Amino acid sequence: GAGVSQSPSNKVTEKGKDVELRCDPISGHTALYWYRQSLGQGLEFLIYFQGNSAPDKSGLPSDRFSAERTGGSVSTLTIQRTQQEDSAVYLCASSAQGPLSYNEQFFGPGTRLTVL
Amino acid sequence: DQQVKQNSPSLSVQEGRISILNCDYTNSMFDYFLWYKKYPAEGPTFLISISSIKDKNEDGRFTVFLNKSAKHLSLHIVPSQPGDSAVYFCAARSDSGAGSYQLTFGKGTKLSVIP
Repeated sequence: GAGVSQSPSNKVTEKGKDVELRCDPISGHTALYWYRQSLGQGLEFLIYFQGNSAPDKSGLPSDRFSAERTGGSVSTLTIQRTQQEDSAVYLCASSAQGPLSYNEQFFGPGTRLTVL
Repeated sequence: DQQVKQNSPSLSVQEGRISILNCDYTNSMFDYFLWYKKYPAEGPTFLISISSIKDKNEDGRFTVFLNKSAKHLSLHIVPSQPGDSAVYFCAARSDSGAGSYQLTFGKGTKLSVIP
């Protein structure tokens, strides 16, 4: 079956513009995560969706960042008024439900965001 | 404050020899430790995990060792193959409450296996 897909693969934007990044998780996976990887850094947790529960937004770096997950499937990460420090690879992952299933997250290829 | 540290940014190993990747952590509340592997232009893929109540887990050529007293874990790859060349991320899992689990990742170690 299809893996996690993300679009666009690359996005170049100007400082101050808004961007939307999309994630299509694996069908049937109830958990969905967003991470970002800045240059030379590890993966930084941003937000986590699990089924119909309220999302865990504890990793969002500022109120310019928000995410939605519609119908328990597709998710959109929105960054408003982008800044140069937002430049990074944004990775989406999904996993099945269950304590051990959360360990095996399936990642998409990422969206490389460049803010000029 | 980095809770998961991979102090070696890179490692080169001859094909057929053992690769040892190291990871240190600070939070004693982590309940699982994991290794992910990442090829260029791809997302990370899950490799192996170990529960905090174990000290060793083996899967084929990959073995993860956990030393809780030292807050240290390592990934051993034996024998190393050129296809193992990738960036390896150490990660640790914590329970954020209400069934929400977070993974905290290290910065990664780039492994190069030389033919």
